[in-house]
Amino acid sequence: QQQVKQSPQSLIVQKGGISIINCAYENTAFDYFPWYQQFPGKGPALLIAIRPDVSEKKEGRFTISFNKSAKQFSLHIMDSQPGDSATYFCAASPGTYKYIFGTGTRLKVLA
Amino acid sequence: EAQVTQNPRYLITVTGKKLTVTCSQNMNHEYMSWYRQDPGLGLRQIYYSMNVEVTDKGDVPEGYKVSRKEKRNFPLILESPSPNQTSLYFCAVSWGDSYNEQFFGPGTRLTVL
Repeated sequence: QQQVKQSPQSLIVQKGGISIINCAYENTAFDYFPWYQQFPGKGPALLIAIRPDVSEKKEGRFTISFNKSAKQFSLHIMDSQPGDSATYFCAASPGTYKYIFGTGTRLKVLA
Repeated sequence: EAQVTQNPRYLITVTGKKLTVTCSQNMNHEYMSWYRQDPGLGLRQIYYSMNVEVTDKGDVPEGYKVSRKEKRNFPLILESPSPNQTSLYFCAVSWGDSYNEQFFGPGTRLTVL
């Protein structure tokens, strides 16, 4: 019940295309859903986050879609660029300083 | 400049030899946490601290100890390391409630032989 399932494990997208990464959770106590981006040799960095009171949040080319009834949320990267090539992690928290991360998606954007 | 510092960055040790990985922050933030990152498993929370002298277990605390005697430091202690603790470790820092961004350190790559 504490897991966050992330898919796909890896993703290859052409420059300019849309990258979509999906996550699913079981624990209905989760109420904060951040996405982190990690480049090789670096620590993860927050990309965008959402609370369950909204179904979508957009920041530039990055959008989170949230489906509370399905207990799923996804990251959409529009107009994907080679500089977006990184590993992406979804996460969930019940607001108690505990965080459960997904297993990560390695994204490669081809030039 | 806001910084999360981890030391050492790389460490190779042997089974059973006690070690400490330090984490220090200059942001005066209350919340600090330790994670381990393993291929195919993502990031898993080991311990976290909401403030000085306040710590709690994450998902994988077995084999680890922590202490928070000062706000700026949150060391991770492996009293008797084993090969299954070979991993990439990250310290993270945040403030206020748990809906705020976590700032991650640069990581410590630990190998236990």
